[in-house]
Amino acid sequence: QQQVKQSPQSLIVQKGGIPIINCAYENTAFDYFPWYQQFPGKGPALLIAIRPDVSEKKEGRFTISFNKSAKQFSLHIMDSQPGDSATYFCAASDPSGGTSYGKLTFGQGTILTVHP
Amino acid sequence: EAQVTQNPRYLITVTGKKLTVTCSQNMNHEYMSWYRQDPGLGLRQIYYSMNVEVTDKGDVPEGYKVSRKEKRNFPLILESPSPNQTSLYFCASSKGLVVYNEQFFGPGTRLTVL
Repeated sequence: QQQVKQSPQSLIVQKGGIPIINCAYENTAFDYFPWYQQFPGKGPALLIAIRPDVSEKKEGRFTISFNKSAKQFSLHIMDSQPGDSATYFCAASDPSGGTSYGKLTFGQGTILTVHP
Repeated sequence: EAQVTQNPRYLITVTGKKLTVTCSQNMNHEYMSWYRQDPGLGLRQIYYSMNVEVTDKGDVPEGYKVSRKEKRNFPLILESPSPNQTSLYFCASSKGLVVYNEQFFGPGTRLTVL
C-alpha cells in the first residue's frame, strides 16, 4: 500500500518554466513532509521540508505548498534551470508511534528534465 | 568530511550466495536506515535502527537481515539472494528520528542477482 502517491512520473520543461510536482498522502498522523533531490549516480539529498502548521515554505527557487485538509502537498521550482534536472521524491513521516513510527515513507519519484 | 559510505558500489552475484553490503557513517548519528530504490516504486525502507542493538522492520524486510553492533556501522545482509532483490540500495543516517532530522544518504550500491 503506497501511503504517499506522487505525480507525475516524469516531467519535461523548458528553461525558465515552473515545474510542479504533486504528492497526496493518506495517514493524517504524518507530521513532516520533506522533498529530496537525487542526481544520477548519487544518493538523495534533502532539498526542502515543511510541517503542517504552515501552508507554504520557500527556499530560494523552491517552494512547498501544503494543503492539510486535502492531504496534499506540492513542490514548485521557479525559473527552472538545466541544473535542476534530477529525480525528486516527496516523503512523509509520522512521530506518533503508529505503524509508520521512525520511518520515512517516500513517493514514487518524478524525473524532471529541464531543457536549455 | 561528514559522509555515509557504502561498499561495494556495484555487485553482481548469483542466486543463493550470501552477501553483505556495508554501511558506515562518521557523523555520530543514532538513526540509520536501509532503502531499496526501484523504478516506479520510489524508495522503500527495508530496516532501520534507532541506536546500537535496536533495529526494526521497514516496509519491505523480507529476505534481508541487519545488525547494529556499533554506532557507526549498519550492514545489510542477504542470506540467500534472489533475482527479485536486484535493485539499487541506499544506506542513510540522521542525528535522531527522521521526523525531526535530515537524513544523509550514501552513494548507493547497485546489486544484480542472476
